[in-house]
Amino acid sequence: EAQVTQNPRYLITVTGKKLTVTCSQNMNHEYMSWYRQDPGLGLRQIYYSMNVEVTDKGDVPEGYKVSRKEKRNFPLILESPSPNQTSLYFCASSLSPQGERGYTFGSGTRLTVV
Amino acid sequence: AQKVTQAQTEISVVEKEDVTLDCVYETRDTTYYLFWYKQPPSGELVFLIRRNSFDEQNEISGRYSWNFQKSTSSFNFTITASQVVDSAVYFCALSERSGSGTYKYIFGTGTRLKVLA
Repeated sequence: EAQVTQNPRYLITVTGKKLTVTCSQNMNHEYMSWYRQDPGLGLRQIYYSMNVEVTDKGDVPEGYKVSRKEKRNFPLILESPSPNQTSLYFCASSLSPQGERGYTFGSGTRLTVV
Repeated sequence: AQKVTQAQTEISVVEKEDVTLDCVYETRDTTYYLFWYKQPPSGELVFLIRRNSFDEQNEISGRYSWNFQKSTSSFNFTITASQVVDSAVYFCALSERSGSGTYKYIFGTGTRLKVLA
């Protein structure tokens, strides 16, 4: 089944404790992206990747890191999480950067930083 | 300035009513794509439709229809004879070329639709 797999689904952590949210897709998509969803703000892009070893900042990159060492994986790293990073996170992939066929989204990761 | 505006934060309708969700976008690109996604209470995001900027033909899929009007920069979504299962948050999105030559995918803030039995 074609899908984007994110883990974990839920995570509660403490301020400053490094964490990684994994994202993997099995569709050979070139383009991958991370979004955070907050009430009243919709989905805002954190980072995106056009292909292996090619990543760039989205609209809200502060406090996050990403890497794209393999085409299928695009982990999101929070080196020192803070409470304002409490949010619902989505990984997405698409065949091309334009996303003209739409994005395929992961199931989401609900992160709480206390 | 908002690139994708969904002015309706929340709409409530009674089952079997028709409802239209508005989406207004802003872009300088001549080639762009517009999308609608559905986020049911379970939280996942489901792709519904895309439109490219050269195709203004309206589309109907069952009870869903979409009206794309470049003259007003709008891409509205109508649900006919709404059902309780249509209750969800609906997002409109725009894909356009950014200043650096890459593409940006921009979401609106969403419209929460509640369909009451």
